[in-house]
Amino acid sequence: KAGVTQTPRYLIKTRGQQVTLSCSPISGHRSVSWYQQTPGQGLQFLFEYFSETQRNKGNFPGRFSGRQFSNSRSEMNVSTLELGDSALYLCASSSDPAGGGYGYTFGSGTRLTVV
Amino acid sequence: AQSVSQHNHHVILSEAASLELGCNYSYGGTVNLFWYVQYPGQHLQLLLKYFSGDPLVKGIKGFEAEFIKSKFSFNLRKPSVQWSDTAEYFCAVNGRGGSDKLIFGTGTRLQVFP
Repeated sequence: KAGVTQTPRYLIKTRGQQVTLSCSPISGHRSVSWYQQTPGQGLQFLFEYFSETQRNKGNFPGRFSGRQFSNSRSEMNVSTLELGDSALYLCASSSDPAGGGYGYTFGSGTRLTVV
Repeated sequence: AQSVSQHNHHVILSEAASLELGCNYSYGGTVNLFWYVQYPGQHLQLLLKYFSGDPLVKGIKGFEAEFIKSKFSFNLRKPSVQWSDTAEYFCAVNGRGGSDKLIFGTGTRLQVFP
C-alpha cells in the first residue's frame, strides 16, 4: 500500500511569505502528526489531528497552523515566514491517536528553506 | 512534562564493534517506547517498539532494546555493527492509551567505519 505522501518535497520562500504543506496519510489512518526537524533539535512536535480534530499542539507560535480534512489528508500552514523556520517538516500517520502502541509511519518530508 | 533524553549525540565505531545508545524518559504514567532510524537521505523508519510484556524487545537488522522501568530507560543495543548502520537514531515515547503526543529525543548520529 502507498506510504505517507508529502508535497512538495522542496520549497524555497522569502521572509514574510506564507506557505502551505500537504500530507496524505496511509489509507485508513486517521491520525496525522506534524514535526519540525532541525539539526541539533531533533524532531519538535507541531500538532496532531485525529478525525479532523486537533488533539495536541506543540510549543510553536500561532503562525503555525494546520487542519485535517474528512479524507484524513492534512495541511499545515506557516504565515509570515522567518529565517528560523527553515527546516524539514515531517508528517506521520497512524491508525491510533499519537501512534498508539504501534508507532507512526513517516513521510519523506518537505524541505523548507526561507531566504 | 514528558521528555526524552539521548545523551550520546555522536557515536563513532568501527565495524564489528558493539553498540549501546542511551535513552531516558520522563513521564508520569505507563508508556509506549520506540526507536526510529533515519538512514542518510531516507525517511524515518521504525526500528523497534515496546508496548507491554517482555522488556527485552528485538527489532529489525539485529537491533534490540531493553526497557528498565526503575531507571526510566530504553537503551538500544547491537552486538556487532556494520557500515550500513550509519544513520541517525531517535528514541521516542508516548503515553499508553494515546492521550499524549509522541515525543522524540534529539537523536544520536552513528558513524561506522569499515
